[in-house]
Parts: sequence; C-alpha cells; structure tokens
Amino acid sequence: EVQLVESGGGLIQPGESLRLSCTGSGFTFRSCAMSWVRQAPGKGLEWVSGIGYDGDTTHYADSVKGRLTISRDNSKTTLYLQINSLRAEDTAVYYCTKDGGSLIDTGRIENWGQGTLVTVST
Amino acid sequence: QSALTQPASVSGSPGQSITISCTGTSSDVGTYNLVSWYQQHPGKAPKLIIYEVTKRPSGISNHFSGSKSGHTASLTISGLQAEDEADYYCCSFVTGNTYVFGTGTKVTVL
Repeated sequence: EVQLVESGGGLIQPGESLRLSCTGSGFTFRSCAMSWVRQAPGKGLEWVSGIGYDGDTTHYADSVKGRLTISRDNSKTTLYLQINSLRAEDTAVYYCTKDGGSLIDTGRIENWGQGTLVTVST
Repeated sequence: QSALTQPASVSGSPGQSITISCTGTSSDVGTYNLVSWYQQHPGKAPKLIIYEVTKRPSGISNHFSGSKSGHTASLTISGLQAEDEADYYCCSFVTGNTYVFGTGTKVTVL
C-alpha cells in the first residue's frame, strides 16, 4: 500500500522559512515523479511544484517561483519543500503527492498524503 | 497559469446524471489529453477518479466517466448516489511541464 506521510507544518511568522518533508513507502520511490499541492482553508487545490524521479528536473507554478525549492533524497525515500519569505497567503494544507510516471508529464496524481497544515501568522 | 474554469456547484437527485465542465486554453486542456479528475470529501485528501481524459483507475466505479471536446473536458456522474456528494477538481498538464487545477465544483445530492 502506498503511504505518503508529511511533516514540518505548524505556526510560522511572516518572513520566516520552513521545510516540509514527506516520507514515501509501499512503492519504488526512486522511480516516481513527486509533487506538492496546497489547499488554502476553504479554497481549491493549487499545484505548486513537481520533481522528476532523479531530482534532475524541477518545476514550479508561476505564483511561487523563486520562493519555493523542491528536492528529494531517494536514499531516504523523502521529498522536501523549502518555503522562504513566508506570507499569509501561503497558509494552507500542503499535500505530498505521487505522480503516475517518472517525470512531471502525465497530468496524473495517483496518490496523496493526508497533508500538513502551514499557518503563517503573527 | 490561470486555474481551469469549473462551475461552482452542480446538484442532482439520486439516480440522475450530472456533468461537470472544465474549461482551459490551448496551453493545457486544448492541446493535451492529460486531464484528470479528483474527488474530495470534507476533511479528506483528494482521490484520483479519472485520468487521461477517459480512463478510470482500478477500483473506481464505472458510473464516473470523462470526455473532452476542444478546450473543455467534462466529468459525468451517472446514477448519482449519496456518497457522490463531494468537491470535484479537474487537472491538466500544461506546456512547460507544470500542472493546473480547476476552480472546483461542489456536487450536492438532493
């Protein structure tokens, strides 16, 4: 069974940085593209970043480009998302997701974690 | 990239069929047959129900079906059931290797 477990969320002050982590199990992590999708409270889904199976290709939504960095450590089956200069509008549940292929080119998100809540506030 | 456009809400009685539209552009839905659909119940993570416009993952009921015409993809739920009441989102691959979600549709079973 595919499992994706996020961690690292919490209450963060505006302007600070945060790193989210996601540990995958039950599948061949090193063969799969992965993405982060966020959902602000009461709002819709927003794809923010994706990474290819080997970490060599990374992609970002225009809305977050320059502030977010996605990375992965296949030896630890772990996906990361570094968010810098946090703003109130970054407040959301951040979902770790497994793509349907090895690159960000399928348009298919097969599996989702339960999400980790990031709240940006003073 | 702007979100794909979906109706905010759609409703139907048990047993009826409903259709949710998802309109994009030539950079996404209009060019690629890489549209997927997700069901999300309150407080839960989304779940893939349709991919590549018309395909269903293993274990997904055949009362969900997908189609596409031009820049608009559609999800049809046939024989509406109480458990189908949820939020539904479309998603498309976008030129440049990103993804974009739709604005979301709340389905109510009357």
